[in-house]
Amino acid sequence: DAGVIQSPRHEVTEMGQEVTLRCKPISGHDYLFWYRQTMMRGLELLIYFNNNVPIDDSGMPEDRFSAKMPNASFSTLKIQPSEPRDSAVYFCATQDGGKTLHFGNGTRLTVT
Amino acid sequence: DAKTTQPPSMDCAEGRAANLPCNHSTISGNEYVYWYRQIHSQGPQYIIHGLKNNETNEMASLIITEDRKSSTLILPHATLRDTAVYYCIVSPFKLIFGTGTRLQVFP
Repeated sequence: DAGVIQSPRHEVTEMGQEVTLRCKPISGHDYLFWYRQTMMRGLELLIYFNNNVPIDDSGMPEDRFSAKMPNASFSTLKIQPSEPRDSAVYFCATQDGGKTLHFGNGTRLTVT
Repeated sequence: DAKTTQPPSMDCAEGRAANLPCNHSTISGNEYVYWYRQIHSQGPQYIIHGLKNNETNEMASLIITEDRKSSTLILPHATLRDTAVYYCIVSPFKLIFGTGTRLQVFP
């Protein structure tokens, strides 16, 4: 299994631009989580899905952030418009209903 | 979710056992104790979890006190590759990461 696949690995964009981060979960995993990591705030849970349905989005910081999971093999996290304070590493993680979260390698976002 | 308290940093000599403590005095009956680690800037990696009983796998051992208010993660023979931030999380399901313990294994 290739594990959780995130793309791109690095993204540099200018303030005000739209950013889309992508995640391909491990096949058969029906839970998907998006986390954000910064030096100041550590690892923060943004949102999670079960069977493609958003269950808890209480960690999404603002309306500029949105996440979708159109099918079991793909999820996106979109920031529109992006701001410098959104610079962070964004992780996607998936779980098969057991107790183990499998993380991707993250997308490092820099907004200038 | 119950709050956890971990020391911010620890050192361990290579080949020795690393014992990482975690306090979770407000843990509820349905909350599991999870341990993850993050090596440099990689995604966190699952190590082990438990509810009441002590657990062991190929990576580590987890010792949970009888009252479940604290636990210890044991890496029996630490190597340089075990240098990482170790997170102790208490939760029934969704994982909220704290600041963890930065373990430095030295030669």
